[in-house]
Amino acid sequence: SQKIEQNSEALNIQEGKTATLTCNYTNYSPAYLQWYRQDPGRGPVFLLLIRENEKEKRKERLKVTFDTTLKQSLFHITASQPADSATYLCALDMGTDKLIFGTGTRLQVFP
Amino acid sequence: DGGITQSPKYLFRKEGQNVTLSCEQNLNHDAMYWYRQDPGQGLRLIYYSQIVNDFQKGDIAEGYSVSREKKESFPLTVTSAQKNPTAFYLCASSDGQLSHHEQYFGPGTRLTVT
Repeated sequence: SQKIEQNSEALNIQEGKTATLTCNYTNYSPAYLQWYRQDPGRGPVFLLLIRENEKEKRKERLKVTFDTTLKQSLFHITASQPADSATYLCALDMGTDKLIFGTGTRLQVFP
Repeated sequence: DGGITQSPKYLFRKEGQNVTLSCEQNLNHDAMYWYRQDPGQGLRLIYYSQIVNDFQKGDIAEGYSVSREKKESFPLTVTSAQKNPTAFYLCASSDGQLSHHEQYFGPGTRLTVT
């Protein structure tokens, strides 16, 4: 079955630096891949979607890449701020009617 | 003010009791989902519904039941058959029957069963 791996260890970076989070998957490449942000005790919020045939997607300070050869998506936050501190989830859509979520990576941006 | 609401935010129950979690959306979305989130685990799909009066089991449906009598409502009942019901429950909706549509999540209900 399809599995998703996100680094379970928290990522700690200094304000102003670029944060890079990784989402690896096994088996077949998804048709779409989504990224969500989740704050403690709250529901996830959608950030970006990237399609299988897209290499890169940008939205303001966010950038997502999708490498079907490496079976990996990278999520970048440039010029990071303490307000970016949260858990970031990736989710795969295999072309079915439901998403498969990763466990998420916690990002901590310190001043 | 459009959105998806869940109530209550915190819920406490004794073991052996059934409990129903509310989920309402006014986004006019067709699809609705229930997830369970445990520490160190990703969101796990319990049930989902793509249209009124129809729903499908997710990956961990045992011990849970749902109904979809109205487009805007998708309540989840945690039955006494659920062996480990304490968890954070999230409801979501999306505007299409295809899963690549982004999902809008509610604020969640934290259920504690003792």
